[in-house]
Amino acid sequence: QSVLTQPPSASGTPGQTVTISCSGSSSNIGTDTVNWYQQLPGTAPKLLIYSNQRPSGVPDRFSGSRSGTSASLAISGLQSEDEADYYCAAWDDSLNGPVFGGGTKLTVL
Amino acid sequence: QVQLQESGPGLVKPSQTLSLSCTVSGGSISSGSYYWSWIRQHPGKGLEWIGYIYYSGTTHYNPSLKSRVTISVDRSKNQFSLKLSSVTAADTAVYYCARDAGITLTGYYYGMDVWGQGTTVTVSS
Repeated sequence: QSVLTQPPSASGTPGQTVTISCSGSSSNIGTDTVNWYQQLPGTAPKLLIYSNQRPSGVPDRFSGSRSGTSASLAISGLQSEDEADYYCAAWDDSLNGPVFGGGTKLTVL
Repeated sequence: QVQLQESGPGLVKPSQTLSLSCTVSGGSISSGSYYWSWIRQHPGKGLEWIGYIYYSGTTHYNPSLKSRVTISVDRSKNQFSLKLSSVTAADTAVYYCARDAGITLTGYYYGMDVWGQGTTVTVSS
């Protein structure tokens, strides 16, 4: 059972905007910024968003936000290549280490 | 550009010790305030943080695995390693090493910006 809670699945059609939620607690999301990872089938996770910012090379279709003990990843202009698993992560002050969500499988219909 | 590569046996017998190494190329493991981390992913499941070794040598482990985990660094080889003792079938997973850029005092978490490709470890007799 993951420390952060994500919906197991999400879907959308090409061009749509999809939002994936992530819920935590006061010791992680409530205190620290959230990161998002994209994992394409058979590959290692890739840092997609860190603290609401995008690493170089990540399209601006991807954006993150945080409010209280929850966070969200929004993907606009959905493309077939966005079909992947998405994980949220945050530093947990009680653990003194990172915690992950259980992952959301995004299907592009 | 820093790259990470895991290496080690793909098959480990129950009750034995799983040993993996992560070689860092394109940069020094001793430079920068990084947390050199191990993460695993059980088949079809999510990500689980195992632990890290800070650039200073300090280690910290997931409490759920703490009694069985040791992470160490070999600066001469620019490598860090994972040992997980007394393994069972429940330890079968893909194991990743990653560089975690860490968190600031104000709670700004930079995240794991470099990952190895992962190595599959099966625990079976």
